Amino acid sequence: EPEVTQTPSHQVTQMGQEVILRCVPISNHLYFYWYRQILGQKVEFLVSFYNNEISEKSEIFDDQFSVERPDGSNFTLKIRSTKLEDSAMYFCARTGGGVEAFFGQGTRLTVV
Amino acid sequence: QKEVEQNSGPLSVPEGAIASLNCTYSDRVSQSFFWYRQYSGKSPELIMSIYSNGDKEDGRFTAQLNKASQYVSLLIRDSQPSDSATYLCAVRVGAGGTSYGKLTFGQGTILTVHP
Repeated sequence: EPEVTQTPSHQVTQMGQEVILRCVPISNHLYFYWYRQILGQKVEFLVSFYNNEISEKSEIFDDQFSVERPDGSNFTLKIRSTKLEDSAMYFCARTGGGVEAFFGQGTRLTVV
Repeated sequence: QKEVEQNSGPLSVPEGAIASLNCTYSDRVSQSFFWYRQYSGKSPELIMSIYSNGDKEDGRFTAQLNKASQYVSLLIRDSQPSDSATYLCAVRVGAGGTSYGKLTFGQGTILTVHP
């Protein structure tokens, strides 16, 4: 099964700026997730999204993060005021039609 | 804190050998177990899933699950240099057929297969 498509592949932003990361489903997937991976560290869960609502979020997913599906298609992760420690790979994943989770190719976020 | 722990690496094996990767988890209600392969700078790629005790084979890969011991492993037979990657163990809490729910990942084991 195809993964989701993420854009951009690499984003460089200045500290304090807002960034929006996008995830485009290939077909009508049910559940979406955002994960992040700081360089050299574990893949960490951020948030899950089902039926246009957050179903679960981690302690990392604080008020500076938000997710939405603005047009019923794209699934976005917004970081309102980026910090240096937000630099990481951000992965969108989906399940639906099966138990397995499939990951997009990721967005590398670099905060300078 | 629900943890997933993998055997410390890096693991180096010669081409053609069997590579053995191990993972333990702390949450007894975990029901779905996955092995992902991650090449440097790339996203996790699913290679195996297992939900029931015992072995599951797919080509050169065999996943083994022992829920009583809270242990899951991955064997790679006839290892190839292209298998060199980081292998991630991931666990989902919830019924085996559940298609939703977050994954908790281990820290990964770096495997190097040398010619």
